[in-house]
Amino acid sequence: DIQMTQSPSSLSASVGDRVTITCRASQGIRNDLGWYQQKPGKAPRRLIYVASSLQSGVPSRFSGSGSGTEFTLTISSLQPEDFATYYCLQHHSYPLTFGGGTKVEIK
Amino acid sequence: EVQLVESGGGLVQPGGSLRLSCAASGFTFSDHYMDWVRQAPGKGLEWVGRTRNKANSYTTEYAASVKGRFSISRDDSKNSLYLQMNSLKTEDTAVYYCARVEATNGYSFGSWGQGTLVTVSS
Repeated sequence: DIQMTQSPSSLSASVGDRVTITCRASQGIRNDLGWYQQKPGKAPRRLIYVASSLQSGVPSRFSGSGSGTEFTLTISSLQPEDFATYYCLQHHSYPLTFGGGTKVEIK
Repeated sequence: EVQLVESGGGLVQPGGSLRLSCAASGFTFSDHYMDWVRQAPGKGLEWVGRTRNKANSYTTEYAASVKGRFSISRDDSKNSLYLQMNSLKTEDTAVYYCARVEATNGYSFGSWGQGTLVTVSS
């Protein structure tokens, strides 16, 4: 199974801060990775697919990069509505595996 | 508008069975692979399994934690996805989401249902 190591597990940031979340795959997964945002009591929402493509309707302050084993989600200027938990998901091989999540909290 | 609505969750005793449903609308259900994902209370997301479409013979994949106990099926005539859960364990307690797989977007999950809670407890 491919292990997805996501870091940090939590972070505190202020509105306007630049935030970076990383996922590392235990083996190469090309660009078969997505990023999802989840708010309490809600279903996840796709932000990024194939590592760097922005989901329609998602603000351009979100961006994804990486390929192979190292991937990054960046929020260029954190907004109040961005406080949530973020997950990466690899769909390169079965079983699909999520990162452990990063909870972004208000500083 | 794409809609996925899960139902069938509830309280069940360990060793029991439950069948979840996911009603789909707003898209051509038969074209898509469909997945189940779960989330235990206060925990992260866990992929449960997948059913492919008719063109791919409705074949399925499962996580090791549920293989042999859970079964995914679909009825394209009813635009519905199912998760049959047998031999339930307390660790199966979770919110279960169905998700639409988008082959054109790297096989990522473009749409999710709102989830249905399954509680396994005596």
